[in-house]
Amino acid sequence: AQSVAQPEDQVNVAEGNPLTVKCTYSVSGNPYLFWYVQYPNRGLQFLLKYITGDNLVKGSYGFEAEFNKSQTSFHLKKPSALVSDSALYFCAVRDFTGTASKLTFGTGTRLQVTL
Amino acid sequence: NAGVTQTPKFQVLKTGQSMTLQCAQDMNHEYMSWYRQDPGMGLRLIHYSVGAGITDQGEVPNGYNVSRSTTEDFPLRLLSAAPSQTSVYFCASSYSVQGTYEQYFGPGTRLTVT
Repeated sequence: AQSVAQPEDQVNVAEGNPLTVKCTYSVSGNPYLFWYVQYPNRGLQFLLKYITGDNLVKGSYGFEAEFNKSQTSFHLKKPSALVSDSALYFCAVRDFTGTASKLTFGTGTRLQVTL
Repeated sequence: NAGVTQTPKFQVLKTGQSMTLQCAQDMNHEYMSWYRQDPGMGLRLIHYSVGAGITDQGEVPNGYNVSRSTTEDFPLRLLSAAPSQTSVYFCASSYSVQGTYEQYFGPGTRLTVT
């Protein structure tokens, strides 16, 4: 079975500093990896995905993620954090089981950006 | 497009009551799913559907039923509510069952069972 781990419950960073939100995964085949963001009292919004190709994936709102197959990681990064980036971030991996693919989510990392 | 819509936004039930959470999408998406979100546990898949007339169980299906009579609608039924079903429920849809497509989420329904 596939799984996703987000080792940090919360990440604190000052505005203007770079941020990293960590994610590691476990799948039996090739992984399809996703990052989603959830603002308070809202549904999840898609940020970016890795399917194949370039290991550095760029997404919405200036976020990017680096796929590292040897370390089975897919860390989310942003060069300069904004207070408005404060939210809950979920990493997810796609599993192919049976007749359809299922998305398995990590437990989430709360990002707090302060002035 | 309205995207994925869910009703109601909030609901309080007594133990043993039944209800239906509504979900609709106007993007002609093939794949729809229901998740529940609990603190410290991320999102867990309840049921999913790969097309009209086809549904299957996810990770935590007990106590829930679904049906998919049209492409647009995917209601979730709680048969006999229990306090353990207190959670935030999200409906999501995706263009295809193919794994490369991202999912679009509704705004959620916050359910409290007393």
